[in-house]
Amino acid sequence: DAKTTQPTSMDCAEGRAANLPCNHSTISGNEYVYWYRQIHSQGPQYIIHGLKNNETNEMASLIITEDRKSSTLILPHATLRDTAVYYCIVLFSSGSARQLTFGSGTQLTVLP
Amino acid sequence: GAVVSQHPSRVICKSGTSVKIECRSLDFQATTMFWYRQFPKQSLMLMATSNEGSKATYEQGVEKDKFLINHASLTLSTLTVTSAHPEDSSFYICSARTDSLWGDTQYFGPGTRLTVL
Repeated sequence: DAKTTQPTSMDCAEGRAANLPCNHSTISGNEYVYWYRQIHSQGPQYIIHGLKNNETNEMASLIITEDRKSSTLILPHATLRDTAVYYCIVLFSSGSARQLTFGSGTQLTVLP
Repeated sequence: GAVVSQHPSRVICKSGTSVKIECRSLDFQATTMFWYRQFPKQSLMLMATSNEGSKATYEQGVEKDKFLINHASLTLSTLTVTSAHPEDSSFYICSARTDSLWGDTQYFGPGTRLTVL
């Protein structure tokens, strides 16, 4: 699976949009981009995933560049409860050995 | 989203005893479940992958005789830490994968905090 690079930490003001970047320059054509987050002492929570097109759900939006070498997770109106470690992971969509491998992620702190 | 439960959420045991952790997918069937371990201030580390009805596949460095995994049904996997020692104290998290037309998704349980005295 392709390796990802994320900033170690970011701050965001409450109510503002949080934009979390992720680089995955070695991503292959059939690898998806997944985003999870982990609030302290809890299991990771699925946020969103995509392949080529931008995606949006009730939690966030995922913007994938045309060359697919980077993506941005957008939390449109961050709240204090969005403070967590955010993980960007790329993963093949098929194959019996596929599983999520977690890097260090980005610690997002939403400030009041 | 799909719900995965774990039981117990916390357990404290004496050194040398065995501890069993249950992981259930509540509203979907999971042919594949995963077990992760997380030490303080570190990221999640995959321990093993289990498929229903077959033996688990362990990651390098994870002792299969110490961490027994049973995936007896499509909704239940168990992890037994045998002869636990203080260095096994950690946050254990299970995950279950759903299959969809648009890529698979892994959903995680809330985790089990194991403390070995």
